[in-house]
Amino acid sequence: GIQVEQSPPDLILQEGANSTLRCNFSDSVNNLQWFHQNPWGQLINLFYIPSGTKQNGRLSATTVATERYSLLYISSSQTTDSGVYFCAVLTTSGTYKYIFGTGTRLKVLA
Amino acid sequence: DAGVIQSPRHEVTEMGQEVTLRCKPISGHDYLFWYRQTMMRGLELLIYFNNNVPIDDSGMPEDRFSAKMPNASFSTLKIQPSEPRDSAVYFCASSTGPPSSYNEQFFGPGTRLTVL
Repeated sequence: GIQVEQSPPDLILQEGANSTLRCNFSDSVNNLQWFHQNPWGQLINLFYIPSGTKQNGRLSATTVATERYSLLYISSSQTTDSGVYFCAVLTTSGTYKYIFGTGTRLKVLA
Repeated sequence: DAGVIQSPRHEVTEMGQEVTLRCKPISGHDYLFWYRQTMMRGLELLIYFNNNVPIDDSGMPEDRFSAKMPNASFSTLKIQPSEPRDSAVYFCASSTGPPSSYNEQFFGPGTRLTVL
């Protein structure tokens, strides 16, 4: 099956710093989403981005489907950005379903 | 809307006991998903329903796990008998449309299950 790997696995930032999270996938995908899991465990959609670039405030994401990777950029990080960031890719093997990556655990220090 | 509701939020049980997790999707959402999150395996899709019908249960780990959706507003995930390796956070999510097109999945708060 498709493999989804994220890097780095862990990241510690000072408040105000910028960061780039990467998601690599082993096969062609129909779409890709980024999620944030906050320290209380709640999962929240950030972006639906099968290709191209999108921005939402301090967050932006770019997916280069032909090269099988996606990047999530966090600018001017805040303590509320802490948590785990997951990418999930849609596989069409059998029925359509999302395969989640391994996650990047981010901690932003005040 | 109250969002996806899951109960209980925490469950501690002993090995061999039956466990039932419950989910109420967002009203009007035709798709319901059950996920499991563990440190070792991350987030995995267990099963999902469309209009109360199971579409893909290939992620259900073994026969000890079963899921039902008797109506549009309620689903259960049952483990019988439970084992310590079933300890995990179980999430329910719902959406208005299929994963094949962009339909945001809204996640519930999860149920943290501990099997002793």
